[in-house]
Amino acid sequence: GQNIDQPTEMTATEGAIVQINCTYQTSGFNGLFWYQQHAGEAPTFLSYNVLDGLEEKGRFSSFLSRSKGYSYLLLKELQMKDSASYLCAVRDVETGFQKLVFGTGTRLLVSP
Amino acid sequence: DAGVTQSPTHLIKTRGQQVTLRCSPKSGHDTVSWYQQALGQGPQFIFQYYEEEERQRGNFPDRFSGHQFPNYSSELNVNALLLGDSALYLCASSLDPQGVGAKNIQYFGAGTRLSVL
Repeated sequence: GQNIDQPTEMTATEGAIVQINCTYQTSGFNGLFWYQQHAGEAPTFLSYNVLDGLEEKGRFSSFLSRSKGYSYLLLKELQMKDSASYLCAVRDVETGFQKLVFGTGTRLLVSP
Repeated sequence: DAGVTQSPTHLIKTRGQQVTLRCSPKSGHDTVSWYQQALGQGPQFIFQYYEEEERQRGNFPDRFSGHQFPNYSSELNVNALLLGDSALYLCASSLDPQGVGAKNIQYFGAGTRLSVL
């Protein structure tokens, strides 16, 4: 089976740091993705992890532990425009082809 | 470089009708995946097309069908619409479904908002 869990909603203050956690269970794993989705817009690719460890990209970092089925997205120096939903997705390998399995998303509200 | 484009943006249909949604992939991409996103939920995988064939399918009934054209663009068809089919339908394109690494990143279009009344 496939199961991806992430918190439904989080709040934070402008300029602060926030960590969004994601735990997963899949039958076959070939990478974990984080997407940002503003209301009514397309999901936008943020980061990709396939090996254990931390990937840093500007204000955003993503961490993966395959043995624990765990990832987090770290957002630093929060800005109002970071208010959005953050989707954790696992690339599930079945029969040689790949699909993305998404969590329900974490809605982040950044306040002044 | 145009990204993934979808049409129409919004669509209103009644129960029992049929609908066709269209997607043009990002330039250079050969794989198209379709997702359904209900309000407040994450996208759910419908199916994936590569080399004009449906290569993988999610847990959706046969009322959902698709097609990929030689230019890699794709259509999603839904027959006998139900109220529960109301959702945002997202198309994502990528390169080489069997490869590994960053080139398999899926890039999403803005979606088609389907309302079934």
